[in-house]
Amino acid sequence: DQQVKQNSPSLSVQEGRISILNCDYTNSMFDYFLWYKKYPAEGPTFLISISSIKDKNEDGRFTVFLNKSAKHLSLHIVPSQPGDSAVYFCAASGDGNKLVFGAGTILRVKS
Amino acid sequence: NAGVTQTPKFRVLKTGQSMTLLCAQDMNHEYMYWYRQDPGMGLRLIHYSVGEGTTAKGEVPDGYNVSRLKKQNFLLGLESAAPSQTSVYFCASRLQGLSAKNIQYFGAGTRLSVL
Repeated sequence: DQQVKQNSPSLSVQEGRISILNCDYTNSMFDYFLWYKKYPAEGPTFLISISSIKDKNEDGRFTVFLNKSAKHLSLHIVPSQPGDSAVYFCAASGDGNKLVFGAGTILRVKS
Repeated sequence: NAGVTQTPKFRVLKTGQSMTLLCAQDMNHEYMYWYRQDPGMGLRLIHYSVGEGTTAKGEVPDGYNVSRLKKQNFLLGLESAAPSQTSVYFCASRLQGLSAKNIQYFGAGTRLSVL
């Protein structure tokens, strides 16, 4: 049973527009959420995170929103750039030791 | 600053062969992890370690063994490789404590094919 779901396998966005990547989770014990970005032939790199006590965290062009009642989080990228084209993984933690990852969403930013 | 280094980067095995994947980190992190990534499956945790001399099972531990004899190294072993173990393997590490904010740092991966 997947505890973290990214239901959109891929997303295509025009350069300069907003990219919105979504993630749903089922475990109400998750208290920390992270987004990772992965380029081909590289390891995932940390992008942004949010604690369950917050509903928004912003870092430059990247903003993560958390809706605990809906068990949903989203990553907004504004404005999108061609270099943002990558696979984005949503991850969640409930015990402080381990992360549970979603299947990932491929983002393509067209110039 | 090397971070997390995985060796080898690529490997092809025949069914039944054994091998060891090495992960080394130079950040003095207490926690280390081994994941596998398969198409459409995201990253799944194989084994992890919360300190030197300790190991614990993750989500998909069958067919793998690990050892953490030194703080900076975490080894993943396949005793008898099977085609189902064809995957990309990632190692990660992180600091202990709340200030670490659960952020794991990943190596570049090892692409393993079992024929």
